Amino acid sequence: DIQMTQSPSSLSASVGDRVTITCRASQGISEFLAWIQQKPGKAPKSLIYAASSLQSGVPARFSASGSGTDFTLTISSLQPEDFATYYCQQYNTYPLTFGGGTKVEIK
Amino acid sequence: EVQLLESGGGLVRPGGSLGLSCAASGFTFSSYAMSWVRQAPGKGLEWVSSISASGYNTYYADSVKGRLTISRDISKNTVNLQMNSLRAEDTAVYYCARVGYGDLSDFDYWGQGTPVIVSS
Repeated sequence: DIQMTQSPSSLSASVGDRVTITCRASQGISEFLAWIQQKPGKAPKSLIYAASSLQSGVPARFSASGSGTDFTLTISSLQPEDFATYYCQQYNTYPLTFGGGTKVEIK
Repeated sequence: EVQLLESGGGLVRPGGSLGLSCAASGFTFSSYAMSWVRQAPGKGLEWVSSISASGYNTYYADSVKGRLTISRDISKNTVNLQMNSLRAEDTAVYYCARVGYGDLSDFDYWGQGTPVIVSS
């Protein structure tokens, strides 16, 4: 199975801050990577697919990059509605696997 | 508007069975693979199972293989998850998700989830 490792597991940031989350795959997955946002008590929401493509309706302050084993998600200017947990997920091969999540909290 | 609405969750005893259903609307259901993803209390997301657009191909996590069965009913636009021999570790919120493109892709839409509690 492909292991997905996210860092950090949590971070504190202020509104307006630039935030970067990293995700590493245990083996190469090309660009078959998604980023998912989940707010407390809510369903997950897809943000990014194919490592760097924004889903429809996702604000442009979200960006992502990477290929192979190393990936990043960046929020250029953190907004109050961005405080949530973010997961990376590989869909290169079954079984599909998720990272452990990064909780973005208010400083 | 794409909508996925799960139902069927509840409390069940260890060793028991439960059937989940996800009603899909707002898109051509027969053109998309579908999946179930779960989240145990306070934990992260775990992929459970996927089914191809045609229904011919199914995929399972090792943790549920042989106990959970995914199926789809194109006449009703539903994807189902039959859960047998349930264990305490199956306790989770179960989400239905649409697979973006082909059998193996990202999850572009998610339902609101249905809770399953396995306890005596």
